Amino acid sequence: GDKVKQSPSALSLQEGTNSALRCNFSIAATTVQWFLQNPRGSLINLFYLVPGTKENGRLKSAFDSKESYSTLHIRDAQLEDSGTYFCAADRANTNKVVFGTGTRLQVLP
Amino acid sequence: EAAVTQSPRNKVTVTGGNVTLSCRQTNSHNYMYWYRQDTGHGLRLIHYSYGAGNLQIGDVPDGYKATRTTQEDFFLLLELASPSQTSLYFCASSDAGLGGHEQYFGPGTRLTVL
Repeated sequence: GDKVKQSPSALSLQEGTNSALRCNFSIAATTVQWFLQNPRGSLINLFYLVPGTKENGRLKSAFDSKESYSTLHIRDAQLEDSGTYFCAADRANTNKVVFGTGTRLQVLP
Repeated sequence: EAAVTQSPRNKVTVTGGNVTLSCRQTNSHNYMYWYRQDTGHGLRLIHYSYGAGNLQIGDVPDGYKATRTTQEDFFLLLELASPSQTSLYFCASSDAGLGGHEQYFGPGTRLTVL
């Protein structure tokens, strides 16, 4: 089954609005990473988290290992935020990272 | 300056063809990975390595070989390419820290097998 489930799978936002993306894990995760894949296909590192929260500009992420989920909050969405967001979890006691299937975000003017 | 580079960026081959994808990292990381990305599956791990001469099996290894010649260089080999291997391939590097592996990705190689 899906070890890392992302929701929603797709989302459209008006410019200037806020949103939250979520990852639920069915594996024991020690760290979480969030990426943005831009329209050119490049994977851009957004956050790397142990349990807790981090903030960077209009983005904020949280990781709760006990409840097995992570969130990515986007505040004041801009057109350049469009793309596909992936979360990836470090699987405990392995050297492997497991990816979710992504949330496709479109920010509309 | 890009720390993980891949070549070629695009490749077209025919069924049964022999393909080598190259990855080089200048992060001084011990771990290197090969993933494939397909619609509906996200990124899936093919092979990875934690140092020169080491190779570990990933989650979707069938039809692929890999070789880590130096700390910097990791190669993915398709010796008998099939259309099912048409995909976007990413290489990544990481080093163990904070109990996990923060991954840094290359720009990707788009492979088409006709």
